Amino acid sequence: SQTIHQWPATLVQPVGSPLSLECTVEGTSNPNLYWYRQAAGRGLQLLFYSVGIGQISSEVPQNLSASRPQDRQFILSSKKLLLSDSGFYLCAWGGEATDTQYFGPGTRLTVL
Amino acid sequence: SQKIEQNSEALNIQEGKTATLTCNYTNYSPAYLQWYRQDPGRGPVFLLLIRENEKEKRKERLKVTFDTTLKQSLFHITASQPADSATYLCALSSGGYQKVTFGIGTKLQVIP
Repeated sequence: SQTIHQWPATLVQPVGSPLSLECTVEGTSNPNLYWYRQAAGRGLQLLFYSVGIGQISSEVPQNLSASRPQDRQFILSSKKLLLSDSGFYLCAWGGEATDTQYFGPGTRLTVL
Repeated sequence: SQKIEQNSEALNIQEGKTATLTCNYTNYSPAYLQWYRQDPGRGPVFLLLIRENEKEKRKERLKVTFDTTLKQSLFHITASQPADSATYLCALSSGGYQKVTFGIGTKLQVIP
């Protein structure tokens, strides 16, 4: 069966520091991969999605970037964090034509 | 632009009653409508999917209806239990390995 991992689970970072969140998927090949952010009291905001290695589509212009160095690895990065980057970051994979999303456990990021 | 509306206020219901959650959408003709459950501090979990040519879908105590004319879906939980307390998210997709748009979710509280 498919499993999706995210780490770290929680992270507290100062403003201006870099960020790297990692997501890996097991048990499936060539999945569509997604990064979402969920701010407190708000809905899921799609940040990036990828249909293959090196293929990244950005939904929101901001200081975040994403990379997909391997088929089942998706990385979210920032060179300099802002206070507004705080939130719950979720990675998901969707390997079906219906685009059903299967989410990881998430990373709670607090920028101080 | 595409818009999904879910009751942002919490829904409180007595144990054993049927809970009904509403999802309305505009500027979209989705091929699929999905419902997810999200518990605090966790990623959403897929529950049910209904296709545009389906009127109703059932899974155990869950029932989903999809009215493409009204642009509305209703999500029912029969014989509700305190364990059903969570936030329920509606999501739309066009299929074909594309992105999914999520509503903000409705928080359901089942009172013993």
